[in-house]
Amino acid sequence: AQKITQTQPGMFVQEKEAVTLDCTYDTSDPSYGLFWYKQPSSGEMIFLIYQGSYDQQNATEGRYSLNFQKARKSANLVISASQLGDSAMYFCAGNNFNKFYFGSGTKLNVKP
Amino acid sequence: DTGVSQDPRHKITKRGQNVTFRCDPISEHNRLYWYRQTLGQGPEFLTYFQNEAQLEKSRLLSDRFSAERPKGSFSTLEIQRTEQGDSAMYLCASSSTTSPGELFFGEGSRLTVL
Repeated sequence: AQKITQTQPGMFVQEKEAVTLDCTYDTSDPSYGLFWYKQPSSGEMIFLIYQGSYDQQNATEGRYSLNFQKARKSANLVISASQLGDSAMYFCAGNNFNKFYFGSGTKLNVKP
Repeated sequence: DTGVSQDPRHKITKRGQNVTFRCDPISEHNRLYWYRQTLGQGPEFLTYFQNEAQLEKSRLLSDRFSAERPKGSFSTLEIQRTEQGDSAMYLCASSSTTSPGELFFGEGSRLTVL
């Protein structure tokens, strides 16, 4: 099984600044994927970004980038130029053999 | 709307009653997942299907829980003899084998057991 740890229950960031949300994972499997999802107050889970364990470069999707450090088993999400609409819960997840495991989440508040 | 849909969105029931939730995945997706999410926590894996085959069930899924996907399309999750601890958001997600890493979630079915 895989374990996902998010140690920041809540974060604040000023609008237009960058913020890093931490995620560490623990798995013994050589092949895995790491993901970030956003869950606004409406409740729907929205896929943001994916990093494969064999990918050489860090994944980027628009304002989202994943700082993947394999040796440290970390997959931090960086959101650049924060917007008020980024206020939400953010979940890090990993998959092994078609099962997805989620962390406990980080609540991000973007201040105007 | 071609996303994942779940029904009902909200269900309030009395302890001991049975409830059933339905999930319609994205039509071309052959993998379907059920998750449970309680307040302030991340989603917990319950079970998943590839086509009509239920490939894995979590130990969280007691004998009171049963899930089906009879024709490899929609799925149902039934909870028998509900308990107050079953109160949670039940999330359904689907994915395709061509893009297995990306889960598409429905909006969830919120269960409240009184």
